Amino acid sequence: GQNIDQPTEMTATEGAIVQINCTYQTSGFNGLFWYQQHAGEAPTFLSYNVLDGLEEKGRFSSFLSRSKGYSYLLLKELQMKDSASYLCAVRGGGSSNTGKLIFGQGTTLQVKP
Amino acid sequence: DGGITQSPKYLFRKEGQNVTLSCEQNLNHDAMYWYRQDPGQGLRLIYYSQIVNDFQKGDIAEGYSVSREKKESFPLTVTSAQKNPTAFYLCASSSRDRGRGTGELFFGEGSRLTVL
Repeated sequence: GQNIDQPTEMTATEGAIVQINCTYQTSGFNGLFWYQQHAGEAPTFLSYNVLDGLEEKGRFSSFLSRSKGYSYLLLKELQMKDSASYLCAVRGGGSSNTGKLIFGQGTTLQVKP
Repeated sequence: DGGITQSPKYLFRKEGQNVTLSCEQNLNHDAMYWYRQDPGQGLRLIYYSQIVNDFQKGDIAEGYSVSREKKESFPLTVTSAQKNPTAFYLCASSSRDRGRGTGELFFGEGSRLTVL
């Protein structure tokens, strides 16, 4: 079967660093995505990893280890506006760039002053 | 501006009624998707289409139907056979062209369906 696991909730302090982990077991792998979703809104794309290693984009970084089926999203210099749900999603196997994405349940991050 | 438009944003339905949610995109994307989100949960795939006149069932297709007669449009019908239709429905699209990016999904604003 296919399974993506993330912690349900996390709390962190404004200005701090937080790491949100994601482990996955899927039939094939064609990329891992992180999305941010504020309550009642649509998800917005944050990052993409297809090769092992770290991808940095401003305050956000995402890491992938394909051999371990593991990824994390690192948020630095936390701001109150970072309070949101963070969704990990994996694109399964196949050569198409449009293979379906399987989403984890999401991690709700609360940033406190 | 390019994007994905979903309508209506809010919809109320009586039990036993079918309802159709609209999704239109002007991004020239080949692939389109419908996801369902329940409170506190992630997104579950209902149907997806990688090309016009073709679509595949996702993980929770029962009680739903779709059509893909035009590249720009991918409407979702929630039928009376769907036992628990109250949810937030998200439409998305992506490009098949690897040169245009990672193939990430672009989402519409969502449609919130409530069954009374």
